[in-house]
Amino acid sequence: NAGVMQNPRHLVRRRGQEARLRCSPMKGHSHVYWYRQLPEEGLKFMVYLQKENIIDESGMPKERFSAEFPKEGPSILRIQQVVRGDSAAYFCASSPPRGMQTQYFGPGTRLLVL
Amino acid sequence: AQSVTQLGSHVSVSEGALVLLRCNYSSSVPPYLFWYVQYPNQGLQLLLKYTTGATLVKGINGFEAEFKKSETSFHLTKPSAHMSDAAEYFCAVSDRGANSKLTFGKGITLSVRP
Repeated sequence: NAGVMQNPRHLVRRRGQEARLRCSPMKGHSHVYWYRQLPEEGLKFMVYLQKENIIDESGMPKERFSAEFPKEGPSILRIQQVVRGDSAAYFCASSPPRGMQTQYFGPGTRLLVL
Repeated sequence: AQSVTQLGSHVSVSEGALVLLRCNYSSSVPPYLFWYVQYPNQGLQLLLKYTTGATLVKGINGFEAEFKKSETSFHLTKPSAHMSDAAEYFCAVSDRGANSKLTFGKGITLSVRP
């Protein structure tokens, strides 16, 4: 059973470009979470999605950031008009629909904004 | 709102020595509690979790943690450190019940001296 997959692993963007990060949850998992890890800080929750629904977006910046988890395909975290402060590691986690509330993390996408 | 405190940012122990990483939480009701480990440039791996039942929880790689409600603590221990334990360790909490976001501490970097 493959784990949570994220791509790309590394992404370089210039200021003003768009960054698109992908996350494929573990097989059978219908819940996806996105977290951001800034240098010297712990992980901060961004958004929690189920298929075609945003459940909790309390950690998402109000502008430029959006997330989706379509019926088919991976979850996408999109950052428009990136700025240097967006440079961070972005982690996706998934969990099964019921049960023990354990989130399994992907390897992350490291975004560098030049 | 929940919060997690991990005192200090760096712990250094000798190989074979006891590992003790502290974690205290603040929550209106006892939450679910987790310890994750992160190796350089990788995602987070679950070490152990407490949801209900026995307050002493055993995890992978010889780690264990004890939930102490009176102290609002969930400290991580390992009797004998190994060089391969060098990594960053994160304590996290979540609300009980349905799937919900994780709130992380800032993390502690563990170094193991030969």
